Amino acid sequence: QQQVKQSPQSLIVQKGGIPIINCAYENTAFDYFPWYQQFPGKGPALLIAIRPDVSEKKEGRFTISFNKSAKQFSLHIMDSQPGDSATYFCAASEGSNYQLIWGAGTKLIIKP
Amino acid sequence: DTAVSQTPKYLVTQMGNDKSIKCEQNLGHDTMYWYKQDSKKFLKIMFSYNNKELIINETVPNRFSPKSPDKAHLNLHINSLELGDSAVYFCASTNYLGGHEAFFGQGTRLTVV
Repeated sequence: QQQVKQSPQSLIVQKGGIPIINCAYENTAFDYFPWYQQFPGKGPALLIAIRPDVSEKKEGRFTISFNKSAKQFSLHIMDSQPGDSATYFCAASEGSNYQLIWGAGTKLIIKP
Repeated sequence: DTAVSQTPKYLVTQMGNDKSIKCEQNLGHDTMYWYKQDSKKFLKIMFSYNNKELIINETVPNRFSPKSPDKAHLNLHINSLELGDSAVYFCASTNYLGGHEAFFGQGTRLTVV
């Protein structure tokens, strides 16, 4: 029940395309859903996050879509660029328990 | 000015040795973590620690021990290193009162030979 399932494991998209990464969870007490971006040789860094009171959040070219009834959330990258090539992690946490439950990661490659 | 810094960045050592990785954060955060990232990029939390409580992931061997001299530092000591300990280890911190965002160090790539 504590798992966050992320798919796909890897994704290759042409420049300008819209990669979509999906995550699903079981614990309905989760109330914070961040996405982290990790470049090779670096630590993960927060990209964008959403709470379940909204269905969508957009920051620049990055959008989180959240479906509370389906217990799913996804990351969309508009007008993707080669510089977006990285590993993306979804995560979730519950209330005052700030410990993040992590997805397995998606390695994204944007081809020029 | 680096928020979360780890040393060393690379560590190559022989099986059976004892080694330490150091972590410092200058964000004033009150909770720090150690994560292990394996070759498949899976992030596994090992410990979370604040000045009140140490939470140990029960799957972590007791050869691994966190040591916190003060609120800004959380070091990881590993005894009797094994080949399977080879991974990238990340230190991270969060502000218990300020939000959920975790700030990560740049990682320490440990190779046990």
